[in-house]
Amino acid sequence: DAGVIQSPRHEVTEMGQEVTLRCKPISGHDYLFWYRQTMMRGLELLIYFNNNVPIDDSGMPEDRFSAKMPNASFSTLKIQPSEPRDSAVYFCASSSRQGALVTGELFFGEGSRLTVL
Amino acid sequence: DQQVKQNSPSLSVQEGRISILNCDYTNSMFDYFLWYKKYPAEGPTFLISISSIKDKNEDGRFTVFLNKSAKHLSLHIVPSQPGDSAVYFCAASAVNTDKLIFGTGTRLQVFP
Repeated sequence: DAGVIQSPRHEVTEMGQEVTLRCKPISGHDYLFWYRQTMMRGLELLIYFNNNVPIDDSGMPEDRFSAKMPNASFSTLKIQPSEPRDSAVYFCASSSRQGALVTGELFFGEGSRLTVL
Repeated sequence: DQQVKQNSPSLSVQEGRISILNCDYTNSMFDYFLWYKKYPAEGPTFLISISSIKDKNEDGRFTVFLNKSAKHLSLHIVPSQPGDSAVYFCAASAVNTDKLIFGTGTRLQVFP
């Protein structure tokens, strides 16, 4: 059974460039979450979707960040333009409705490590 | 404002001893608490959870304790093993919400 799949695993880019991170959730999961991991703030929730609809984007740091979920099997997180302070590991996670509401269990991908020079 | 706090960034414990990882929270609406474990270059994985109606939950070597009045929870690992070396994240969810709020993590190192 495939888990959450993220790409790319590593991305190095220059300041000002556009970055697109991709995520394929576990089939049948109807919740998708984007988190960012930094040393200072740990795992921060950026945005989450339910049935492809964005529910809460209050964690998105700035207008430079945007996320989409065009269908149940694909989501993107875009940063345009990127800045050095965006350097972090970005995780995608998915959950079934029961998992999200009752136990809060999330299934994470392996993450995309972004370095902005 | 960090609603879930892990004040110890790192912890070093000898193999066979007890590891105690601590977590504090500020939001009284949190009703479910979880611990996740993360190895390098991997995503976090669920370890153990506890509902706010309980004060203890045990799963093998792992026990989570919840003190609601102090808004504090802890994870005990007994006995600690080298394979337990990882970053541990505390997380919480509030009633009627669908999201988990994570802490900053504690890096546990278990040495022989």
